[in-house]
Amino acid sequence: GAGVSQSPRYKVAKRGQDVALRCDPISGHVSLFWYQQALGQGPEFLTYFQNEAQLDKSGLPSDRFFAERPEGSVSTLKIQRTQQEDSAVYLCASSKREGWYNEQFFGPGTRLTVL
Amino acid sequence: AQKITQTQPGMFVQEKEAVTLDCTYDTSDPSYGLFWYKQPSSGEMIFLIYQGSYDQQNATEGRYSLNFQKARKSANLVISASQLGDSAMYFCAMRVDQGGSEKLVFGKGTKLTVNP
Repeated sequence: GAGVSQSPRYKVAKRGQDVALRCDPISGHVSLFWYQQALGQGPEFLTYFQNEAQLDKSGLPSDRFFAERPEGSVSTLKIQRTQQEDSAVYLCASSKREGWYNEQFFGPGTRLTVL
Repeated sequence: AQKITQTQPGMFVQEKEAVTLDCTYDTSDPSYGLFWYKQPSSGEMIFLIYQGSYDQQNATEGRYSLNFQKARKSANLVISASQLGDSAMYFCAMRVDQGGSEKLVFGKGTKLTVNP
């Protein structure tokens, strides 16, 4: 079956522009996660959805970052007024949420470069 | 606070030999899960192996095994019979259940290079 897909794969934005990153999770996966991976670092958690409910947004670095999953499937991560420090790979992951062992399946990521 | 430490920025191994990638973790929760992911240059995170804190035996998945030492809070990944395709970044991660979330906390990773 299809895995997690993300679009666009690459995005170049001028400082101050708004960007929107899309994630299509695996069909039927209840949980959806966004992570930010800076160059040479491990991924860092941004936010978590269970169906359409955003249960944890503790990792969002500022109020310029906003995520939504209105119908419990596709999710969009929006960054307003982008800054150079927002340059990173943004990874989306989904899981079934069955029991303790919930493997997270990751998408290929969107590489954002802010000039 | 939960934390993952990977102290080896880079490791080299000869093809067909075994290699151990180190991971230590810090948590006060009695229940936790530990994961290893592989990230090739293409960027996608590929799940390798999982170890639950209450699992009695070390996890194994094909050429991957996890050397789980609970008292030392370590969960080292062992790759046997290394292949050229194993060259990649490897991340250790711990599942954290907080506020309804099941997020993963990742280490900084180890870059593995397999030499022919």
